[in-house]
Amino acid sequence: DGGITQSPKYLFRKEGQNVTLSCEQNLNHDAMYWYRQDPGQGLRLIYYSQIVNDFQKGDIAEGYSVSREKKESFPLTVTSAQKNPTAFYLCASSTGQTDSPLHFGNGTRLTVT
Amino acid sequence: GESVGLHLPTLSVQEGDNSIINCAYSNSASDYFIWYKQESGKGPQFIIDIRSNMDKRQGQRVTVLLNKTVKHLSLQIAATQPGDSAVYFCAENISGGFKTIFGAGTRLFVKA
Repeated sequence: DGGITQSPKYLFRKEGQNVTLSCEQNLNHDAMYWYRQDPGQGLRLIYYSQIVNDFQKGDIAEGYSVSREKKESFPLTVTSAQKNPTAFYLCASSTGQTDSPLHFGNGTRLTVT
Repeated sequence: GESVGLHLPTLSVQEGDNSIINCAYSNSASDYFIWYKQESGKGPQFIIDIRSNMDKRQGQRVTVLLNKTVKHLSLQIAATQPGDSAVYFCAENISGGFKTIFGAGTRLFVKA
């Protein structure tokens, strides 16, 4: 089955440590996205990538970094510069057309203490 | 500013009744609208979409209505079932843009 795989499901880190969240898709989609979701809130865009080796900042990119070395993979690093990193992180992909919906993974819940 | 919002944060309905979830959007340049369903601990799932050149689209038990005059979007769920309990998000894509803007979500409770 085609889909998006995020790992791990739960992640715990100490404050001051960088952490990388994995996202892999086998849908052959050109575009990939990272969203952050806080309790009881909507989704906010962190970074997105339209093609391999290219990515753009979203609305809340500060304290995060990404890479897009392969079409299938779009890892997100939460750096120690992110002031409030505890959240639910969602990866998505799409064909990249304006009228195509996003396909989401099941998220990674990151807790930083 | 550009935003997608929802009129009601929570909605409680009796099993078997119809549900209507409303959404307001503010960007007149938006030309594609999507409804997603998110169950607890999971990622959002696509339910139904509609382009701005349409005012109604039907799926299986779901209907989306678009009123561009008042910038209003609604999701109707027929014969609501316990499995429909989730948070529902409306989202918009701006013409020529690459970002999907999400509303805050409405939590639907289905009472047995």
